[in-house]
Amino acid sequence: AQSVTQLDSQVPVFEEAPVELRCNYSSSVSVYLFWYVQYPNQGLQLLLKYLSGSTLVKGINGFEAEFNKSQTSFHLRKPSVHISDTAEYFCAVSPKYSSASKIIFGSGTRLSIRP
Amino acid sequence: GAVVSQHPSRVICKSGTSVKIECRSLDFQATTMFWYRQFPKKSLMLMATSNEGSKATYEQGVEKDKFLINHASLTLSTLTVTSAHPEDSSFYICSAWDGYEQYFGPGTRLTVT
Repeated sequence: AQSVTQLDSQVPVFEEAPVELRCNYSSSVSVYLFWYVQYPNQGLQLLLKYLSGSTLVKGINGFEAEFNKSQTSFHLRKPSVHISDTAEYFCAVSPKYSSASKIIFGSGTRLSIRP
Repeated sequence: GAVVSQHPSRVICKSGTSVKIECRSLDFQATTMFWYRQFPKKSLMLMATSNEGSKATYEQGVEKDKFLINHASLTLSTLTVTSAHPEDSSFYICSAWDGYEQYFGPGTRLTVT
């Protein structure tokens, strides 16, 4: 079984400041890792994903994440945030070699940007 | 990129009635679709996995007789909430898998009065 822990339910940050959203996972099998963003009353948009290879993954909107296997972490970072980054962010995992690509989500982190 | 639509985007129904939500993959075929439920300020909870031409697989604790899922074609899955009650009010999101990635729909907000 897999589980995802997002350590911070809310992260307030000033505009143009850097941000890190933390994510840890637990799994007995190898997994793919994802970060999704959800704007109010909308569905989910994929920010980035780690499948294999380089542990530093770059995504859309200037976000990046680093896979750390020893720490079972996949923290999301952005060097300078904008007001438009205000949203809910979900870390997620999916077991490798799963025929159905089932995704397990973390509880989410609400990123609020202060001007 | 791949697009998944949901219809309706919002629906209000009276307690005791049934409501159907459609999930369509617009530009690809999806042998597998997923239905999620999201409570306010909460994460997405997987309700069921829908496979084209076969019965859906429900997660533990999800009433299959209440949440009827039909995946009649490679581009359409439907979720019917039967005999809806106020506690069924929620944001329902579907996703479609093209064999490589899941693509999410915009969600349907159901309000049961």
